[in-house]
Amino acid sequence: NAGVMQNPRHLVRRRGQEARLRCSPMKGHSHVYWYRQLPEEGLKFMVYLQKENIIDESGMPKERFSAEFPKEGPSILRIQQVVRGDSAAYFCASSPPDRRELFFGEGSRLTVL
Amino acid sequence: GQNIDQPTEMTATEGAIVQINCTYQTSGFNGLFWYQQHAGEAPTFLSYNVLDGLEEKGRFSSFLSRSKGYSYLLLKELQMKDSASYLCAVGNTDKLIFGTGTRLQVFP
Repeated sequence: NAGVMQNPRHLVRRRGQEARLRCSPMKGHSHVYWYRQLPEEGLKFMVYLQKENIIDESGMPKERFSAEFPKEGPSILRIQQVVRGDSAAYFCASSPPDRRELFFGEGSRLTVL
Repeated sequence: GQNIDQPTEMTATEGAIVQINCTYQTSGFNGLFWYQQHAGEAPTFLSYNVLDGLEEKGRFSSFLSRSKGYSYLLLKELQMKDSASYLCAVGNTDKLIFGTGTRLQVFP
């Protein structure tokens, strides 16, 4: 059973470009979470999604950031017009229906030049 | 509001025992989680407490007191590979809220 798959593992963008990060949850998991981690800091909750629904986006910046989890395919975190402050590791996690434990992917490390 | 506090850094010696404390104040509570994260890697689940008391799992144990908003992670017989960050997280309604993590360095 494959774990949570994230890609790309590393992404470099110039200021003003767009970044798209993808996450495929573990088989049988229908809940997806995105977290951001700055160097030497903890994981900050961004958004919680189920298939075709955003359940909680209280941690998402109001502008430039969006997330989706379509009926088919991976969940996508999209950052438009990136700025240097967006440089971070973005972790995706999924959970089974009882939602007790989160299983994390290896993360996508975004560097904005 | 949400507030989860844990020490920033700790050091210990190989073979010793170390206790990492976590205090929390959150508007909701669905359980207390501990995760381990090695540098540059994904967090991995260590333990879960929802009721007061001690949960033991091999060399690792976790304790919870809901009335005090307090938990600790106890690591016994420390090994060099235990050098990592340990993240305390509170289950809150529909998500986990993480503390900033405690970076543990184990010395020979």
